Amino acid sequence: GAVVSQHPSWVICKSGTSVKIECRSLDFQATTMFWYRQFPKQSLMLMATSNEGSKATYEQGVEKDKFLINHASLTLSTLTVTSAHPEDSSFYICSADLLGGSSYEQYFGPGTRLTVT
Amino acid sequence: SQQGEEDPQALSIQEGENATMNCSYKTSINNLQWYRQNSGRGLVHLILIRSNEREKHSGRLRVTLDTSKKSSSLLITASRAADTASYFCATDENNQGGKLIFGQGTELSVKP
Repeated sequence: GAVVSQHPSWVICKSGTSVKIECRSLDFQATTMFWYRQFPKQSLMLMATSNEGSKATYEQGVEKDKFLINHASLTLSTLTVTSAHPEDSSFYICSADLLGGSSYEQYFGPGTRLTVT
Repeated sequence: SQQGEEDPQALSIQEGENATMNCSYKTSINNLQWYRQNSGRGLVHLILIRSNEREKHSGRLRVTLDTSKKSSSLLITASRAADTASYFCATDENNQGGKLIFGQGTELSVKP
């Protein structure tokens, strides 16, 4: 149980286009989802916290107009990278808190590799 | 977001040896978690230790937590080539809504 999926698993897009990444909790409901970015050979950096039905909270230095987050249901959060540029190429990972569980229970998706050409 | 520090950044050992990785952090925490990541893949949750715990075991893994020094260690005993991966600590800080702050990671290489 407690599986989180991401779609797509990888995507290549041209500079200037927008890309949407989905994060789904498959067998549980999540009030909170988190989005991380990981550059090669580096650690995960938290980008934003996504709460169902409300606006996302972005970490310092993350442009909210560039990285649009929508959390419309208890099982789905989306991250849209708008007007992508090569420097946005990265590994994007989401995680989800189990609704009704302790605050310790967070489950990670398999990640989405974005390459912007 | 602040990141914790891990050392060493890279560790190379022979199969059968023990591997120890250390993590330091800066704030008060609810718990500290260790994750493994194989190259280009997602995270695998290894173990969680709560702030009121000092040591925890899971199979070949042993984790310690010293909240007075704000540090943790992960020991992998009798390492195997399959343990080759990057290992990250992550802290769940007090009053931060459950978000995790990851350390810089240790890249472990276990040679057969």
